[in-house]
Amino acid sequence: DAGVTQSPTHLIKTRGQHVTLRCSPISGHKSVSWYQQVLGQGPQFIFQYYEKEERGRGNFPDRFSARQFPNYSSELNVNALLLGDSALYLCASSQSGREKTQYFGPGTRLLVL
Amino acid sequence: GNSVTQMEGPVTLSEEAFLTINCTYTATGYPSLFWYVQYPGEGLQLLLKATKADDKGSNKGFEATYRKETTSFHLEKGSVQVSDSAVYFCALSGSGSSNTGKLIFGQGTTLQVKP
Repeated sequence: DAGVTQSPTHLIKTRGQHVTLRCSPISGHKSVSWYQQVLGQGPQFIFQYYEKEERGRGNFPDRFSARQFPNYSSELNVNALLLGDSALYLCASSQSGREKTQYFGPGTRLLVL
Repeated sequence: GNSVTQMEGPVTLSEEAFLTINCTYTATGYPSLFWYVQYPGEGLQLLLKATKADDKGSNKGFEATYRKETTSFHLEKGSVQVSDSAVYFCALSGSGSSNTGKLIFGQGTTLQVKP
């Protein structure tokens, strides 16, 4: 079975632009979480979605938003990009909203110039 | 709030040496504990987990025991290989409905194994 997939793998944007990152969870998994990993640090939690509803939100500004679709895939949107948004964005899936074990995708590396 | 602290790296070992990476946590209730590994240029792979006190997680020769009395989850391997070179992250998922879906990570420990 395929693992968590993310697209694109790499992205270069300029300050002020908008970006959309996509994630498909493991088949049968209904929960998707998003994390931001800045170089040299551990991942930081951004959002969790389960059954198309937001179940958790980390300490990120309103420029960050996300949604989950009926097929359980998800998008992360970031508006008005800042240089500090440059990071590896990781998507993780789990079987349910209460299941604590999460499986990660390869990530999307975003560079903001 | 909940937090995870890992030993600073890099940790440099010779092949076949014994590995310990320390991890301690602060959390209310009974969190679940995880070790993830990240190879260069890749995402995170789940290495092992433990969901309750005294549980031992193990995988690919790596082990970690959930010690509630010392709030620790140290990662060990008896004989490391060059292929184990990577960044290792300790993480917790808090108990209670308000913590569901949120993993809290340590800062990561880089392991370099030399032939």
